[in-house]
Amino acid sequence: NAGVTQTPKFRVLKTGQSMTLLCAQDMNHEYMYWYRQDPGMGLRLIHYSVGEGTTAKGEVPDGYNVSRLKKQNFLLGLESAAPSQTSVYFCASRGPGTGGRETQYFGPGTRLLVL
Amino acid sequence: GNSVTQMEGPVTLSEEAFLTINCTYTATGYPSLFWYVQYPGEGLQLLLKATKADDKGSNKGFEATYRKETTSFHLEKGSVQVSDSAVYFCALLKDDKIIFGKGTRLHILP
Repeated sequence: NAGVTQTPKFRVLKTGQSMTLLCAQDMNHEYMYWYRQDPGMGLRLIHYSVGEGTTAKGEVPDGYNVSRLKKQNFLLGLESAAPSQTSVYFCASRGPGTGGRETQYFGPGTRLLVL
Repeated sequence: GNSVTQMEGPVTLSEEAFLTINCTYTATGYPSLFWYVQYPGEGLQLLLKATKADDKGSNKGFEATYRKETTSFHLEKGSVQVSDSAVYFCALLKDDKIIFGKGTRLHILP
């Protein structure tokens, strides 16, 4: 049981390049989330999903797209990266944890630098 | 919209001091409330939660009580340790979305 994993851990992009961040969970959770964390801003919700095949916008969705083709994976895409997207990106899943109580699990984060 | 406001840091305390980190929320209806902790270089870990008014969440000596009348969920610990140094986030869950406060950095001095 690996929990929530994120790929890659670190990436440097040039302005205008594209990339996809992968989030995977092995807990069969329905809900998955993408956040960005910036100094002094806390975590801001980019997009989320309430189940396979669904996606919805969060607080700061512009410049990002997501897909949830498989229940265990939630992909975050940047079609044309901008320096303002330099951030640490966290994925999370929500569902039953140990003992059946609902809880949330976060991945270790992806650090993205856009030059 | 739904939002969370928590006290700005950093908060610096001596070991064994009493800790309070204030958190208030704005939401329609009855959100679930959470405290998360983030240690340097790591992701967030759920510290405690409460799902209805007057519930008290507790874990590792930390406590927080869901106060509907004051829309608050303040985090407390009676005697902090150096190992408690981290960033603490208050959050709410409403309409499937988890919304976070900006975080409070806590420094504990030996």
